Amino acid sequence: GQQLNQSPQSMFIQEGEDVSMNCTSSSIFNTWLWYKQDPGEGPVLLIALYKAGELTSNGRLTAQFGITRKDSFLNISASIPSDVGIYFCAGQNAGNNRKLIWGLGTSLAVNP
Amino acid sequence: GAVVSQHPSWVICKSGTSVKIECRSLDFQATTMFWYRQFPKQSLMLMATSNEGSKATYEQGVEKDKFLINHASLTLSTLTVTSAHPEDSSFYICSARGFGGSYNEQFFGPGTRLTVL
Repeated sequence: GQQLNQSPQSMFIQEGEDVSMNCTSSSIFNTWLWYKQDPGEGPVLLIALYKAGELTSNGRLTAQFGITRKDSFLNISASIPSDVGIYFCAGQNAGNNRKLIWGLGTSLAVNP
Repeated sequence: GAVVSQHPSWVICKSGTSVKIECRSLDFQATTMFWYRQFPKQSLMLMATSNEGSKATYEQGVEKDKFLINHASLTLSTLTVTSAHPEDSSFYICSARGFGGSYNEQFFGPGTRLTVL
């Protein structure tokens, strides 16, 4: 099935550093979502974006819905060890049960 | 709010047996439930979508006779892996979506690790 281009594939950073990851698509979406998955757990919704150009924050996390509706980025500021995990972007459109189209994930490791 | 549970959290079975996995929305009514499988270091792969009271819609390449899905109520969906084989070993995750407000997105269960010997 269709998957989104997500980069980088993995990151290894020092605690306190800022992190940026992005997702691109060849088709447009009405909604962009960012999830975090810890090992052995299901994904947890971090931020949902519903409007092109929208910039939304959730604590140290900030995400933007690209103006072309074909991309989105997620920033994490002042990373901490518990930010470790895999981050997935997902695009969604109305119709077709609004199923999610997933990125391949960004694996984040934080060195204390 | 928006809590989804799965049971069991892990299961080991012999090849040829069937395994049932339950997915429950605990504090909201789920009009739609989704079943995914995830292999190590890979993204989630949608297997099927089920709306309460309707037959599930399976993604291309997913055998509906092998992965039986029942969504009999607004809070419960089950996935039965029939005649399981080692290649069915995977992490199975369900998600549930309600209607309106903050329940309008997919909320995920904690996953079920299936190992087929």
